[in-house]
Amino acid sequence: DAGVIQSPRHEVTEMGQEVTLRCKPISGHDYLFWYRQTMMRGLELLIYFNNNVPIDDSGMPEDRFSAKMPNASFSTLKIQPSEPRDSAVYFCASSPTNSNQPQHFGDGTRLSIL
Amino acid sequence: QKEVEQNSGPLSVPEGAIASLNCTYSDRGSQSFFWYRQYSGKSPELIMFIYSNGDKEDGRFTAQLNKASQYVSLLIRDSQPSDSATYLCAVNTGNQFYFGTGTSLTVIP
Repeated sequence: DAGVIQSPRHEVTEMGQEVTLRCKPISGHDYLFWYRQTMMRGLELLIYFNNNVPIDDSGMPEDRFSAKMPNASFSTLKIQPSEPRDSAVYFCASSPTNSNQPQHFGDGTRLSIL
Repeated sequence: QKEVEQNSGPLSVPEGAIASLNCTYSDRGSQSFFWYRQYSGKSPELIMFIYSNGDKEDGRFTAQLNKASQYVSLLIRDSQPSDSATYLCAVNTGNQFYFGTGTSLTVIP
């Protein structure tokens, strides 16, 4: 079975540009999570969806960040405008439920904002 | 207080020794507990999960859970250099999933 698929794997762009990260969860998983990981702050939950509906976006750092899940097999995380402090690895994860099931991670997108 | 606390390390053990990684959590209602391994530059990979008090063994790995003490640990027997990685503890409270900041483990050949 295919795992969680993220694209692009690497993104380098200039400050002020719009950045869009993409994720395809594992088929049949109802929950999708977006994380950001840095050396300083570790793994931070940004937002998660249940059945395509955003449930908790309290981790989204500011209005420059937005996430959508238009259908069960696709989600985007957008940063507009991007800033150097947004540089991090962004992971998408999915799970069948949010109770006792583990989350399965994609390979991540390494984002560098110059 | 953070939901999940781990000693950041680094923890160094010689090859063949037992590595012990520890994690405490704050929510007494937490229901499920997970250990992830993350190699440098890679994504977190699930290695163990445990739901009930006691020990759960899988090969060289043993997860231990003590809900009364709000403590979960991971033992790695016969440590190998390939076990060198960061180990993340994760806790599911039923409503939320929390990760610790991870413990860096180095196994010295």
